Amino acid sequence: SQKIEQNSEALNIQEGKTATLTCNYTNYSPAYLQWYRQDPGRGPVFLLLIRENEKEKRKERLKVTFDTTLKQSLFHITASQPADSATYLCALGGNNRLAFGKGNQVVVIP
Amino acid sequence: DVKVTQSSRYLVKRTGEKVFLECVQDMDHENMFWYRQDPGLGLRLIYFSYDVKMKEKGDIPEGYSVSREKKERFSLILESASTNQTSMYLCASSSSGWTGGNTEAFFGQGTRLTVV
Repeated sequence: SQKIEQNSEALNIQEGKTATLTCNYTNYSPAYLQWYRQDPGRGPVFLLLIRENEKEKRKERLKVTFDTTLKQSLFHITASQPADSATYLCALGGNNRLAFGKGNQVVVIP
Repeated sequence: DVKVTQSSRYLVKRTGEKVFLECVQDMDHENMFWYRQDPGLGLRLIYFSYDVKMKEKGDIPEGYSVSREKKERFSLILESASTNQTSMYLCASSSSGWTGGNTEAFFGQGTRLTVV
């Protein structure tokens, strides 16, 4: 069966360091992969989209990689700030669907 | 500022009631979606619509129906609410040319529904 896996344990990180999150998937061949941020009690907010033929995408302090051989995406927040504390969701696209992982919480400690 | 607006933030309904959750978007998007989000299960797709009066089942459509009479409005209907439908419901929309994830999805603020 199709699976999207994100670490269920929260990532606690010191302010200023780089936070790295992993999204692994099985039995998928996504044409697109997206990352969203979700704050408690709110809807997800889109951050980045990367296509299957792209290796890396950047936006300000965010960087996403997409390795279709490893079936993995890495999401990096450089120079992390307390305001980056949230849950981050990866989502796999294709076949008219956008399927989400369960999310990975990030806590940035001042 | 683009918006997806859900009619209620919090809702409490009784078992067996018919429940309507409303969603309106102001971006002229063709595609609209309903998800539910539960702890430990993540976001799961209930239904989506790619045009007025068109709908497709998502991964967990049982116990739900939808209505899309106008482009900007997508309603989720719980025909007979049950306690296992207590959840956070999220509406989203995306622009045309959707093939699944090729454009960003815009989410509403969510409706936390409690069925007692």
